Amino acid sequence: GDSVTQMEGPVTLSEEACLTINCTYTATGYPSLFWYVQYPGEGLQLLLKATKADDKGSNKGFEATYRKETTSFHLEKGSVQVSDSAVYFCALSGGNQFYFGTGTSLTVIP
Amino acid sequence: DAGVIQSPRHEVTEMGQEVTLRCKPISGHNSLFWYRQTMMRGLELLIYFNNNVPIDDSGMPEDRFSAKMPNASFSTLKIQPSEPRDSAVYFCASSRRQGGGYTDTQYFGPGTRLTVL
Repeated sequence: GDSVTQMEGPVTLSEEACLTINCTYTATGYPSLFWYVQYPGEGLQLLLKATKADDKGSNKGFEATYRKETTSFHLEKGSVQVSDSAVYFCALSGGNQFYFGTGTSLTVIP
Repeated sequence: DAGVIQSPRHEVTEMGQEVTLRCKPISGHNSLFWYRQTMMRGLELLIYFNNNVPIDDSGMPEDRFSAKMPNASFSTLKIQPSEPRDSAVYFCASSRRQGGGYTDTQYFGPGTRLTVL
């Protein structure tokens, strides 16, 4: 069945460091791919999405490219801030189901 | 536009009591999802509805849990009787399901933090 696998955390970075959180997926069709972010004490919020191969989703300095050949959707940011500290979830929409990864906790220290 | 609304935001109850969580999805959305989040098990899908009809309830832990969606603008998740292991944050999410079964972005509510003593 469809699924997503994302990099285990937690991840701790210094402010202005580069971030990559890996996400790979398994799907039988042509899914849409998403990154959600969850700040402490809040619900999940959509960060970015891509609906077809080679699409790049971007928001708040974060980017992810839908790579069909490697079945990946890695999240990247060139310079993280303390305010980016949160849990990040990769997700896939396939058919009539929505699948979330296990989440990667990011802490950015000043 | 109002997002997904959940109530209450916090609930503290004693073991054995009935708990009812409420959700109002975004207007125009036709799919609704209930999730549970804990440190141990992460984010778990409990049940989802499409056009007010339960489609998949395989994630509901046991018969103590039940969910209803009497109309397009309201859903409840009930736990009766509650147990300490039900303590978690419960999220409701809604989306617009497109033709052909494709499910668009899910929008989450702020969650209900349930503590069962």
